[in-house]
Amino acid sequence: AQSVAQPEDQVNVAEGNPLTVKCTYSVSGNPYLFWYVQYPNRGLQFLLKYITGDNLVKGSYGFEAEFNKSQTSFHLKKPSALVSDSALYFCAVRITGGGFKTIFGAGTRLFVKA
Amino acid sequence: GAVVSQHPSRVICKSGTSVKIECRSLDFQATTMFWYRQFPKQSLMLMATSNEGSKATYEQGVEKDKFLINHASLTLSTLTVTSAHPEDSSFYICSAGTPVNEQFFGPGTRLTVL
Repeated sequence: AQSVAQPEDQVNVAEGNPLTVKCTYSVSGNPYLFWYVQYPNRGLQFLLKYITGDNLVKGSYGFEAEFNKSQTSFHLKKPSALVSDSALYFCAVRITGGGFKTIFGAGTRLFVKA
Repeated sequence: GAVVSQHPSRVICKSGTSVKIECRSLDFQATTMFWYRQFPKQSLMLMATSNEGSKATYEQGVEKDKFLINHASLTLSTLTVTSAHPEDSSFYICSAGTPVNEQFFGPGTRLTVL
């Protein structure tokens, strides 16, 4: 079965420190991988995606993610966290073929402390 | 960039009534619309996928007679929750897909059934 796992319900980090939000996936074929952020009572905002090419993908607001095929991971990273980064982060995989649909991980809540 | 709107943003209704939620792609044509449901502190669960002019494809466990989806044009899809009950209270998010498999999310609709 195709799935996305975010092993951490919550990540706590101090402002200015680097942050990592983990994601692993299980899909057949080549994955299309995404990260989204959600603020309270809001829809999802796109951060970045990996389709093909360079394994290190840079996205919005200083975030980046590294695609690791051997470990089937797509961890989200930022060198220096901001308090305003505190939000709910979703990793997602897009399944294609006969149309497409997106499957989301359970989400990881990031708290950045001042 | 591509914008997806949802209306209303919040709705409170009495048990037994029906509620319609609109999803519009404002500056592009959406060949596919997706409807998601999100419970508090949980991930997005895909409810159904619809293509313009076709019947929606519902995910397993989603009652098609309870959640009526109409995708009458390339810019509008509606979700009607029929005979709503308190357990239908949730955050409903639509997403519009383009012919090149991009996906853009609406801001969500908070439904509260009393």
